[in-house]
Amino acid sequence: SAVISQKPSRDICQRGTSLTIQCQVDSQVTMMFWYRQQPGQSLTLIATANQGSEATYESGFVIDKFPISRPNLTFSTLTVSNMSPEDSSIYLCSVQRQGANGYTFGSGTRLTVV
Amino acid sequence: AQSVTQPDIHITVSEGASLELRCNYSYGATPYLFWYVQSPGQGLQLLLKYFSGDTLVQGIKGFEAEFKRSQSSFNLRKPSVHWSDAAEYFCAVGARAAGNKLTFGGGTRVLVKP
Repeated sequence: SAVISQKPSRDICQRGTSLTIQCQVDSQVTMMFWYRQQPGQSLTLIATANQGSEATYESGFVIDKFPISRPNLTFSTLTVSNMSPEDSSIYLCSVQRQGANGYTFGSGTRLTVV
Repeated sequence: AQSVTQPDIHITVSEGASLELRCNYSYGATPYLFWYVQSPGQGLQLLLKYFSGDTLVQGIKGFEAEFKRSQSSFNLRKPSVHWSDAAEYFCAVGARAAGNKLTFGGGTRVLVKP
């Protein structure tokens, strides 16, 4: 399975600032996804990161708040913009390789907004 | 839209006893089904997955799950629980027709009594 490096692993940020999270995969992958896990909650899909085109966002998530880049088949970033304490969550990157039966998750970024 | 329900928010089980976690899904076609485990402060680890074929799936750490199409269920079982199995368990459903994105259930927290 693919190996994912997600950075940073955790951060404490001031409200109103932005944080960019990186997801690096050790091999080319077809699908890359970004999830949010709010405290004590399950995982919610934010968006699908599309290589060479704009990300596809789920209901309740918008590009202005969560801009996503995917410049190639091994790398993606998620930015959490204009943060508020409600954005305090774990953010996870997930990938699926073409033809592979399964998804791999990064170790997550634990974000605290103060 | 696909959805996943885990009816039990918490389950407490004695060490050595059997464990069954329930998962029900809603989707028109046969989805991909997964069980993940998340230990405190840790990332997601895949326990097992079902794509097609034999409806009884064996996973890691002694877990198994059975896909029952008639009941839209994918329950997770372990015959004898170890203290290290205390964690949060998530059922997830994905489908090619849904862009291969995963939808997660709300999770079941398992506590193991000595």
